[in-house]
Amino acid sequence: GENVEQHPSTLSVQEGDSAVIKCTYSDSASNYFPWYKQELGKGPQLIIDIRSNVGEKKDQRIAVTLNKTAKHFSLHITETQPEDSAVYFCAASKGGYQKVTFGIGTKLQVIP
Amino acid sequence: GAGVSQSPRYKVAKRGQDVALRCDPISGHVSLFWYQQALGQGPEFLTYFQNEAQLDKSGLPSDRFFAERPEGSVSTLKIQRTQQEDSAVYLCASSTHEGQETQYFGPGTRLLVL
Repeated sequence: GENVEQHPSTLSVQEGDSAVIKCTYSDSASNYFPWYKQELGKGPQLIIDIRSNVGEKKDQRIAVTLNKTAKHFSLHITETQPEDSAVYFCAASKGGYQKVTFGIGTKLQVIP
Repeated sequence: GAGVSQSPRYKVAKRGQDVALRCDPISGHVSLFWYQQALGQGPEFLTYFQNEAQLDKSGLPSDRFFAERPEGSVSTLKIQRTQQEDSAVYLCASSTHEGQETQYFGPGTRLLVL
């Protein structure tokens, strides 16, 4: 089955700096890559996703890149703010009924 | 509109007890998923429904775990004879239909088995 590895497990940045989280996946058939943000006591919330037919996608301060050949994808958050502090999960899916395999998560702390 | 809701939000059970966890998906969503999230880990797939049909239960860890969605809306995850290793957050997610659409997660039920 699919295996998604994510690093770093924790990340501390100063407010205004950028944060980068990297993930790799094992199954070349995966073609959908969502990123979720999870705050304490809440369920994961989708923040951005990318499909395998594109290499990059941007939404305001958040961008994702995908390298299908190397089977890795990354999340970039620019101009970080304290409210960006949360656990971020990358994930991969082969579509169809969308069984999603998650990474272990990255705890991001933005220091004011 | 209302998102995915789950109840109870917290459940404490003694080892050996049976528990039932409820999920109310977003109205009209065809697909429903259950995930288990251990402390400090990412969610792990348990089972999937398309309407009332359980199409994949490959992630259920043992035959003590049972899920149903009899009318294609509300779903219940039941755990029989709970054990300490069942302690986790159980997340429910729904999406509009099969295909590459967003899964919307509920807040989860935190289960603690003593």
